[in-house]
Amino acid sequence: EDKVVQSPLSLVVHEGDTVTLNCSYEVTNFRSLLWYKQEKKAPTFLFMLTSSGIEKKSGRLSSILDKKELFSILNITATQTGDSAVYLCALDYGGSQGNLIFGKGTKLSVKP
Amino acid sequence: EPEVTQTPSHQVTQMGQEVILRCVPISNHLYFYWYRQILGQKVEFLVSFYNNEISEKSEIFDDQFSVERPDGSNFTLKIRSTKLEDSAMYFCASGMTRPYGYTFGSGTRLTVV
Repeated sequence: EDKVVQSPLSLVVHEGDTVTLNCSYEVTNFRSLLWYKQEKKAPTFLFMLTSSGIEKKSGRLSSILDKKELFSILNITATQTGDSAVYLCALDYGGSQGNLIFGKGTKLSVKP
Repeated sequence: EPEVTQTPSHQVTQMGQEVILRCVPISNHLYFYWYRQILGQKVEFLVSFYNNEISEKSEIFDDQFSVERPDGSNFTLKIRSTKLEDSAMYFCASGMTRPYGYTFGSGTRLTVV
């Protein structure tokens, strides 16, 4: 069964819209939750969240983790066409060396 | 900005053949990983490597797979006898320390025919 569930699976918005991507998980004992952006090939690192309730922010992107309700959200404000990508949520869970468990991703399409 | 480099970007091989996928991690990184992503599916962990040995491996990483760091800079994934279901994008990643996010390479698309 999936330990990391992302929703929605795909989303189409227009430039300037604000979007919220969701990541829920079943694991309670994990080291960190990470968000990646995958455009054509390699996932690129966005955020790492370890503490509940502390917002991480980078430009128009922000993310927060809720360890009580077992979810994280990624917000993108004032979306641009360059934000079009698959956004991946991953848990650094178990193991000793940081292997990640990924969700299936949310495909975001931003139309001009 | 430092990059993880993977070669080749695309490899086509016949079923049953051996393939070696190559990666050059970022030079001061200590933790190395291989992941794969079958088309349309999620990214899956294969193996992690630290201190010149495998530290974790998934159930996907069976006896057909092996990893090496032959010369202190390259990090390779070998598949001994490829199957059709090995067709996927294979990503190498490296990290300096945990729990920071790793840097992924741009991937090798393996097509087994």
